[in-house]
Amino acid sequence: GQQLNQSPQSMFIQEGEDVSMNCTSSSIFNTWLWYKQDPGEGPVLLIALYKAGELTSNGRLTAQFGITRKDSFLNISASIPSDVGIYFCAGRAGNTPLVFGKGTRLSVIA
Amino acid sequence: ETGVTQTPRHLVMGMTNKKSLKCEQHLGHNAMYWYKQSAKKPLELMFVYSLEERVENNSVPSRFSPECPNSSHLFLHLHTLQPEDSALYLCASSQDHTGLEQFFGPGTRLTVL
Repeated sequence: GQQLNQSPQSMFIQEGEDVSMNCTSSSIFNTWLWYKQDPGEGPVLLIALYKAGELTSNGRLTAQFGITRKDSFLNISASIPSDVGIYFCAGRAGNTPLVFGKGTRLSVIA
Repeated sequence: ETGVTQTPRHLVMGMTNKKSLKCEQHLGHNAMYWYKQSAKKPLELMFVYSLEERVENNSVPSRFSPECPNSSHLFLHLHTLQPEDSALYLCASSQDHTGLEQFFGPGTRLTVL
């Protein structure tokens, strides 16, 4: 089945630093989503991308739908302690179910 | 608060027990999902319901039995589970089963002894 490679698996950063993470797929996707999961909670949708090349922001978060349609990037600017959590990418090709990455665990050191 | 609630939040059960997980969505969505989340693995889709009909069943063992009595409620009935079934079980909903923007509940942390 389809698989997503999400990297890095984990990150330790200083408060105030910018963060970048990405997701790649072996297939062409027509949708990319980014979720954040806090400890003890379910994933919460951050950003949805529907067109190749699309760049969308949500506060300090910016995500891009790669031109090749096989990748997506999430950037967080000026990280703060509450950014801690696991960030998941998810994508879909055609009408198939959403496929999720394994997540990037972000730790912020104050 | 995503509009999707799950109960119980935590459950410990023996392998011979029967228990049920409950999910309720207050978003007026028509599709509901069960996912299994295990450590260091991607979210695994288990079941999809659209307008109370099952549209997806990803080769899930029969010891997991879903039930969708209406578009707002989804259950996962558990029977004779195995320790490897211990995981976080997440419920989600979306506008319809082709909808991509899924809203997740907080999950039920299940431990099978």
